[in-house]
Amino acid sequence: RKEVEQDPGPFNVPEGATVAFNCTYSNSASQSFFWYRQDCRKEPKLLMSVYSSGNEDGRFTAQLNRASQYISLLIRDSKLSDSATYLCVVSAGSYQLTFGKGTKLSVIP
Amino acid sequence: DVKVTQSSRYLVKRTGEKVFLECVQDMDHENMFWYRQDPGLGLRLIYFSYDVKMKEKGDIPEGYSVSREKKERFSLILESASTNQTSMYLCATNRDRGDWAGELFFGEGSRLTVL
Repeated sequence: RKEVEQDPGPFNVPEGATVAFNCTYSNSASQSFFWYRQDCRKEPKLLMSVYSSGNEDGRFTAQLNRASQYISLLIRDSKLSDSATYLCVVSAGSYQLTFGKGTKLSVIP
Repeated sequence: DVKVTQSSRYLVKRTGEKVFLECVQDMDHENMFWYRQDPGLGLRLIYFSYDVKMKEKGDIPEGYSVSREKKERFSLILESASTNQTSMYLCATNRDRGDWAGELFFGEGSRLTVL
């Protein structure tokens, strides 16, 4: 069975804090990696793709370590609006996507 | 913008009833998916389709069937609803890129309660 494991959470952090989420995957044939964000009672939406070289989008940095089969997401200077569940998604093909169970983040004033 | 529309946001059905959940996308995507999402279990794939009239079982197909007669429409059918099918159902689509998964676009979800 192809598994994607995420930090159990929940993470409760103060505004302005830096928080990191981790994700491990078991399928070594995985080709594409993503972080999705899901707000309460809403559908998931793509936050960012994760590339081998690592990538950054504003306060968000994603890293991939293929050798260790490990993905991370770093959020700097947390905002209240960052409160959501973050889903790690790993794909071995166009329709072979496996979701982690998600990590809930609450940013506290 | 991609739009994925699910026919019903909230449904309440009785045990044994037949339930249809419809999903329509407007971006000519090849792949369409049905997931269910339950607390503590995450998103689990029920069925997916990579072309008209083509369907493949996901991780939890038991108790469900699907239909894809047109490229833009993918229906999930519960032949005889049971209480353990109470869940949030999410439809998603993406473009077929072979070995590489394109961004998944989700509908707003259909919350089904079976009494």
